[in-house]
Amino acid sequence: GDSVTQMEGPVTLSEEAFLTINCTYTATGYPSLFWYVQYPGEGLQLLLKATKADDKGSNKGFEATYRKETTSFHLEKGSVQVSDSAVYFCALSLSGGSYIPTFGRGTSLIVHP
Amino acid sequence: GAGVSQSPSNKVTEKGKDVELRCDPISGHTALYWYRQRLGQGLEFLIYFQGNSAPDKSGLPSDRFSAERTGESVSTLTIQRTQQEDSAVYLCASTYGSASQHFGDGTRLSIL
Repeated sequence: GDSVTQMEGPVTLSEEAFLTINCTYTATGYPSLFWYVQYPGEGLQLLLKATKADDKGSNKGFEATYRKETTSFHLEKGSVQVSDSAVYFCALSLSGGSYIPTFGRGTSLIVHP
Repeated sequence: GAGVSQSPSNKVTEKGKDVELRCDPISGHTALYWYRQRLGQGLEFLIYFQGNSAPDKSGLPSDRFSAERTGESVSTLTIQRTQQEDSAVYLCASTYGSASQHFGDGTRLSIL
């Protein structure tokens, strides 16, 4: 079946550090890939997405590139802020069929001043 | 409003009681999903609606859990005879086609 694997958290960084959160996937078809962010006490919000190989999604300084050859969609940010502290979820969705997405387990990011 | 709305935002109840959670999706979104998120955990898929039919109920953990949806509108998730292990945040999301999901802020359920 389809699956998403994320690096274990928490990831703890100082402000202005470089961030990478790894995400790899397995899928039977050609999925769209997503990163969602969850701030404390809130639901998930879409952060960025990519719908085909080599696409780069970007938003709020975050980027992720859809790498079909390595089945990866790693999240990066060049300089994190305290306000980026949240839980990040990688997900995939296959077009057609039931559209039920597959989520990773989430990676907690803690940014210290 | 423009987003997915869930109510109540918090619910505290005694073990053995029934609870009903409500989700108002974004207007025009044909698909609606319920998830459970235990403290510090990822998302656990419960059920998916396309319109008012539920093609996939595979995630419902027991027969104490049920859900229904009226047309392409409101959905309710009902938990009967609640147990302490039902304590979690219940998240609802809606979407149109295979686009990204729009989540509500969830209902935080605490079973005493």
